[in-house]
Amino acid sequence: ETGVTQTPRHLVMGMTNKKSLKCEQHLGHNAMYWYKQSAKKPLELMFVYNFKEQTENNSVPSRFSPECPNSSHLFLHLHTLQPEDSALYLCASSQEWGGTQETQYFGPGTRLLVL
Amino acid sequence: AQSVTQPDIHITVSEGASLELRCNYSYGATPYLFWYVQSPGQGLQLLLKYFSGDTLVQGIKGFEAEFKRSQSSFNLRKPSVHWSDAAEYFCAVAERGAGTALIFGKGTTLSVSS
Repeated sequence: ETGVTQTPRHLVMGMTNKKSLKCEQHLGHNAMYWYKQSAKKPLELMFVYNFKEQTENNSVPSRFSPECPNSSHLFLHLHTLQPEDSALYLCASSQEWGGTQETQYFGPGTRLLVL
Repeated sequence: AQSVTQPDIHITVSEGASLELRCNYSYGATPYLFWYVQSPGQGLQLLLKYFSGDTLVQGIKGFEAEFKRSQSSFNLRKPSVHWSDAAEYFCAVAERGAGTALIFGKGTTLSVSS
């Protein structure tokens, strides 16, 4: 496979469930990102990992817990979510956080519905 | 603070007609500029980007965009729209020298009529 892949593509969960989103990039990049895309709102950057180290956390609630075991994989662990967390969660990668002329490449997203 | 404005929420264009999607940004210096497209149920695909040099940039699928510093704009154009171009288009700005954080506009939905 090439590019950025995300699994699952769709997820329905209750507020008491625990689930994880997975992202994998096959581009040899060192930076990975989680974005949230809600209806009628601009994409919101949630987390950034650069060389497996978290460099950005944009005041995301603790019910979202990211994990980056290596430069190719990124997870988003979810627990006790709220209905307002229903959204499309997009993963992206780029060569390096803070590099010059960086371009981010996005995965297809996971559509999450919290009941 | 940086911001990106896409004034048109929804645009309808006839197939074969020309297209221009507007993007204005607020930023003190020359930013990095991007256009992404998102088809229904899909992620974002990069159409084109501007970093420096020639202010008219060519992208994929026949799209181009022109950076106009005086107007703080980076409008996307296509001379002849195809039905498959129907999608949501996002303009984004990245601040030079401050990581790679992208600031996105709210998007413009393009519908193509036959």
